Amino acid sequence: DAGVIQSPRHEVTEMGQEVTLRCKPISGHNSLFWYRQTMMRGLELLIYFNNNVPIDDSGMPEDRFSAKMPNASFSTLKIQPSEPRDSAVYFCASRGSGNTIYFGEGSWLTVV
Amino acid sequence: TQLLEQSPQFLSIQEGENLTVYCNSSSVFSSLQWYRQEPGEGPVLLVTVVTGGEVKKLKRLTFQFGDARKDSSLHITAAQPGDTGLYLCAGGWSGSARQLTFGSGTQLTVLP
Repeated sequence: DAGVIQSPRHEVTEMGQEVTLRCKPISGHNSLFWYRQTMMRGLELLIYFNNNVPIDDSGMPEDRFSAKMPNASFSTLKIQPSEPRDSAVYFCASRGSGNTIYFGEGSWLTVV
Repeated sequence: TQLLEQSPQFLSIQEGENLTVYCNSSSVFSSLQWYRQEPGEGPVLLVTVVTGGEVKKLKRLTFQFGDARKDSSLHITAAQPGDTGLYLCAGGWSGSARQLTFGSGTQLTVLP
């Protein structure tokens, strides 16, 4: 079975450009999470959706970040405009009825 | 803010040695999970503990949840190079939409 699928795997962009990260959760999972991982801050929850509805977005750093989940099989995380301090690995994860959260392989973002 | 502190931050040992990593918090958690993350991958769940004092074993790995449900430990017996990775603890508590708070992680390297 396919796991959580993220794209792109790697992206290098210039400061000020828009970045869109994409996620396809595991089929049948009703919770979706976006995390950001850096050496300095570790793994941080950015936003959490349940049944496609944003439940908690208090982890979203600022207005430059936005996330959508138009349907149960797709979510996006957008950064506009991007800044060098946004460089990190962004993970999407999903969960079904149990306690296990399944992570994607991550999107490695570098903003120069 | 619920914080999880992990120690040590870095650990490098020889194959065959035993080790213990710790996860501590001032908050009481309803559950605690341990994940392992390998380079270029997302975290993968190893175990979930929910009862104070609970001990779970996964082959050479032993996980313990503190009696007060504020701390946890992971003990690895006869470590192998394949155990190398970033070990993350994550605490959950009922009634919170955030679901999980991740610790800072312990980077383990097992040398052959």
